[in-house]
Amino acid sequence: DTGVSQDPRHKITKRGQNVTFRCDPISEHNRLYWYRQTLGQGPEFLTYFQNEAQLEKSRLLSDRFSAERPKGSFSTLEIQRTEQGDSAMYLCASSSPGTSPYTFGSGTRLTVV
Amino acid sequence: AQRVTQPEKLLSVFKGAPVELKCNYSYSGSPELFWYVQYSRQRLQLLLRHISRESIKGFTADLNKGETSFHLKKPFAQEEDSAMYYCALSPTSGSRLTFGEGTQLTVNP
Repeated sequence: DTGVSQDPRHKITKRGQNVTFRCDPISEHNRLYWYRQTLGQGPEFLTYFQNEAQLEKSRLLSDRFSAERPKGSFSTLEIQRTEQGDSAMYLCASSSPGTSPYTFGSGTRLTVV
Repeated sequence: AQRVTQPEKLLSVFKGAPVELKCNYSYSGSPELFWYVQYSRQRLQLLLRHISRESIKGFTADLNKGETSFHLKKPFAQEEDSAMYYCALSPTSGSRLTFGEGTQLTVNP
């Protein structure tokens, strides 16, 4: 499968725990994006990388959230001290240089109990 | 600030009927507009983009800059068109996307 892959598909965690998600983009795509989607809403932008550089972060990305893309390939999104409001689908997408159409992954569904 | 509005959360039509999913946007410049679709249990995927001016699966969308709209249309809906449709805006190529809340289309037999 040469698409965008995300791991895990589902994560259930207790409030206050830390969680980390991984995204592997399409290999030739240098841009990688993270979005969050809650029930009944469209995806909301969190952050994006061009290669290993984090170019933009949304105000939605509180201090408890951190994203990395250390070698310009896969990316991780970590949420520290999870809260119930963090329960959502976390989507990753990638794109080629200078093109808008993203390829989305299947997402990681986080449930904080 | 950029904003995308899809006024209908739910839209139900019968097979063979025309369908129009509305999308309005607010942005001061000349953005790129997209329609994304999510079929049941599948990932979000691009349906079409305004700069391509193409028809995908019988769907078309025309950018109306005067009305700041990008409505999605299909003359004859099919049952397999049942899905969630999202309109999205990007200020420049490759930058962040702003999505609408989505319209759930149901095509009844």
